[in-house]
Amino acid sequence: QKEVEQNSGPLSVPEGAIASLNCTYSDRGSQSFFWYRQYSGKSPELIMSIYSNGDKEDGRFTAQLNKASQYVSLLIRDSQPSDSATYLCAPYGDSSYKLIFGSGTRLLVRP
Amino acid sequence: SQTIHQWPATLVQPVGSPLSLECTVEGTSNPNLYWYRQAAGRGLQLLFYSVGIGQISSEVPQNLSASRPQDRQFILSSKKLLLSDSGFYLCAWLVRGWTEAFFGQGTRLTVV
Repeated sequence: QKEVEQNSGPLSVPEGAIASLNCTYSDRGSQSFFWYRQYSGKSPELIMSIYSNGDKEDGRFTAQLNKASQYVSLLIRDSQPSDSATYLCAPYGDSSYKLIFGSGTRLLVRP
Repeated sequence: SQTIHQWPATLVQPVGSPLSLECTVEGTSNPNLYWYRQAAGRGLQLLFYSVGIGQISSEVPQNLSASRPQDRQFILSSKKLLLSDSGFYLCAWLVRGWTEAFFGQGTRLTVV
């Protein structure tokens, strides 16, 4: 089992729709969870982080965490063509100090 | 402010030549530091991480090594580059408290 799993996509949504990106992880000791956006040829940019079960909203983005199910997701509301990128998730815990990334989900927002 | 510097942005090196990539962080102390490699169209492969000066953990045995001579400096090295070392190398740091983690701009290495 991979440490962090994401559907590689591409996930294609029309402009204005909600994009839902999912991530599962294996380390139950994970305490912080990060979502990144990476455009082709660029370094990843931090979108948001979440530490507690439930939802966390930041503008058009909502992260959802369920530690019991070892599942974290990212919702993007009112998707824009500029949101087309690869989205990476990474859990972190001080049991290992590793910051392991999923392989990413490619999102395509159609105008 | 907290920033991360990584250089050079691009590098073309012949097979068998040495490598040294440097990453420095400003505006923080005792960060966790990470080196990743990303092959074209692939995910981020964790190469090394460090939780303190002189403390290096290796994830993948290979032709590379890392060092942390100062608290906010992380260096990736190779004595002899292989063609398979080509890729996009990224340095990242994790803020104390694990609230945020940021990447440098990356170094695109081509071994020819």
